[in-house]
Amino acid sequence: DTAVSQTPKYLVTQMGNDKSIKCEQNLGHDTMYWYKQDSKKFLKIMFSYNNKELIINETVPNRFSPKSPDKAHLNLHINSLELGDSAVYFCASRPGWESGYTFGSGTRLTVV
Amino acid sequence: DAKTTQPNSMESNEEEPVHLPCNHSTISGTDYIHWYRQLPSQGPEYVIHGLTSNVNNRMASLAIAEDRKSSTLILHRATLRDAAVYYCILRDAYSGGGADGLTFGKGTHLIIQP
Repeated sequence: DTAVSQTPKYLVTQMGNDKSIKCEQNLGHDTMYWYKQDSKKFLKIMFSYNNKELIINETVPNRFSPKSPDKAHLNLHINSLELGDSAVYFCASRPGWESGYTFGSGTRLTVV
Repeated sequence: DAKTTQPNSMESNEEEPVHLPCNHSTISGTDYIHWYRQLPSQGPEYVIHGLTSNVNNRMASLAIAEDRKSSTLILHRATLRDAAVYYCILRDAYSGGGADGLTFGKGTHLIIQP
């Protein structure tokens, strides 16, 4: 049973396209996140959702939009993809109390 | 979140204990100390966290200095599978209603020699 699952694992697409990455957690956690890891391996937070409400948005271009149909899902939609969007994107979740975060295995996005 | 300082890399031998240091001299009273690791081509993995007292779990131990300005992650018997980047992160439990994320630094690249 995968706790935090992301699909697809790999995504290759052309500049200008619109794409979505899906994330689901079966842990019953309250908050979900999206992180971006660039080619230099720095992990940066993009969004968090708590009870279907966007809590933070860290200077991410508005081409990126998180969508949460329910507490267990936080999808990432990206419009007008650019070369600089190439990275590995990680979904994560955590419970309402102070505890560890659980990360997905990542989606490697390549924009050509 | 307050900043942490870790060595860029460390080497250890297989089956020996590993002590990974982390300095956090500006830690606040509500900052939890979290440790995560990232194995090659995988997502970050939670290791352990604590506030004031030392903590043990099946993966590791966390030793927290009395003044909380530093901490050490202890892997009791390293295996090749423990080779990863280890991140020490402070998280304020009372900021953003508890809904904020983790701020990752560069971490320590742990190399395990067979």
